[in-house]
Amino acid sequence: GAGVSQSPSNKVTEKGKDVELRCDPISGHTALYWYRQSLGQGLEFLIYFQGNSAPDKSGLPSDRFSAERTGGSVSTLTIQRTQQEDSAVYLCASRPAGWGKDTQYFGPGTRLTVL
Amino acid sequence: GQQVMQIPQYQHVQEGEDFTTYCNSSTTLSNIQWYKQRPGGHPVFLIQLVKSGEVKKQKRLTFQFGEAKKNSSLHITATQTTDVGTYFCAGGPNSGYALNFGKGTSLLVTP
Repeated sequence: GAGVSQSPSNKVTEKGKDVELRCDPISGHTALYWYRQSLGQGLEFLIYFQGNSAPDKSGLPSDRFSAERTGGSVSTLTIQRTQQEDSAVYLCASRPAGWGKDTQYFGPGTRLTVL
Repeated sequence: GQQVMQIPQYQHVQEGEDFTTYCNSSTTLSNIQWYKQRPGGHPVFLIQLVKSGEVKKQKRLTFQFGEAKKNSSLHITATQTTDVGTYFCAGGPNSGYALNFGKGTSLLVTP
């Protein structure tokens, strides 16, 4: 079946512009995560959605970052007034419901470059 | 908060040598997962360990979960160039919670 998809695959923007990154999780997966990975670095947790519960936003680095998940499926990560330090690969992952089903399935990521 | 630490950060080996990466948590984990990310790719799930002291093998890869469920290791026997990539461990205090990823160990294998 289809895996996690993300769009766009690459995004180049100018400093100060807003960007929207999209994630389509695997159908039926109730949990969705956003991570940021800077060049050669590990995964930085940003936000976590689980079903209809309030999202865990503890990883968002500033109030310029926000995310929403509509209808429990597609998610959009928005970065307002982008800065050069926002340049990174933004990865989305989804996970099915159920105790013990912790495996995360990652999308290919969106490479964001802020000039 | 919970932290997951991984060492070493980098490892460079000759093909055929063994490789081990270690993962340590400040708190007890519900389970530990390992992911591999090839250069230019995204993390791909390798395995999940749940039980205290659990050992699992996948061909040349051996995964261990510590008795206290606070540490884990990944050992690769006789590395090959196809093993190149970054290996991440990830764990959480309870099943279904957000995972904490380690910063990863980048493995370079030269022929």
